[in-house]
Amino acid sequence: GAVVSQHPSWVICKSGTSVKIECRSLDFQATTMFWYRQFPKQSLMLMATSNEGSKATYEQGVEKDKFLINHASLTLSTLTVTSAHPEDSSFYICSAKGLAVYEQYFGPGTRLTVT
Amino acid sequence: AQSVTQPDIHITVSEGASLELRCNYSYGATPYLFWYVQSPGQGLQLLLKYFSGDTLVQGIKGFEAEFKRSQSSFNLRKPSVHWSDAAEYFCAVGPNTGNQFYFGTGTSLTVIP
Repeated sequence: GAVVSQHPSWVICKSGTSVKIECRSLDFQATTMFWYRQFPKQSLMLMATSNEGSKATYEQGVEKDKFLINHASLTLSTLTVTSAHPEDSSFYICSAKGLAVYEQYFGPGTRLTVT
Repeated sequence: AQSVTQPDIHITVSEGASLELRCNYSYGATPYLFWYVQSPGQGLQLLLKYFSGDTLVQGIKGFEAEFKRSQSSFNLRKPSVHWSDAAEYFCAVGPNTGNQFYFGTGTSLTVIP
């Protein structure tokens, strides 16, 4: 149990375009989802926390207008990178937790390359 | 402030040798502690976790970790490393709500035949 999927696993987009990444909890209700960013050879950096039906809470330094997060249902959260630029190229990982669950379950990640 | 330190950026061990990866944390309350493994280009896989109780916890793939409150440590161990254990290992600490994980910077493990 506790499987989290991400789609797509890999995406290339042109500079200036937007790209949407989906994060789904397949077998549990994710009351809270988290979005992380990971640069090569580095640790995970929390970008934002979203609770179902509420606005996401962004970490300091993360542009909320650039990284749009929607958590409209208990099984789906989306991260949209708007007007992407090459510096947005990174590995994006989501995680999810259910109510009264004390661990996060991680998705397999999405590799974004902006050309 | 909450933080996690993994002092070893990179470790190389021979296959069959024992392994210990260090993790120290700074946390104001009783922490929940985790070890994750990440293969290249992949997401994170939970190896083991500590919430309470026995301070020596067993995980998957033959890994174990020991929580030492007096040393604020949660070191990961394996008695005999396999080549497939080569990966990046992350220690994480979080509150008992499960929110706001803090990750260490990771330790890269290389296994030589």
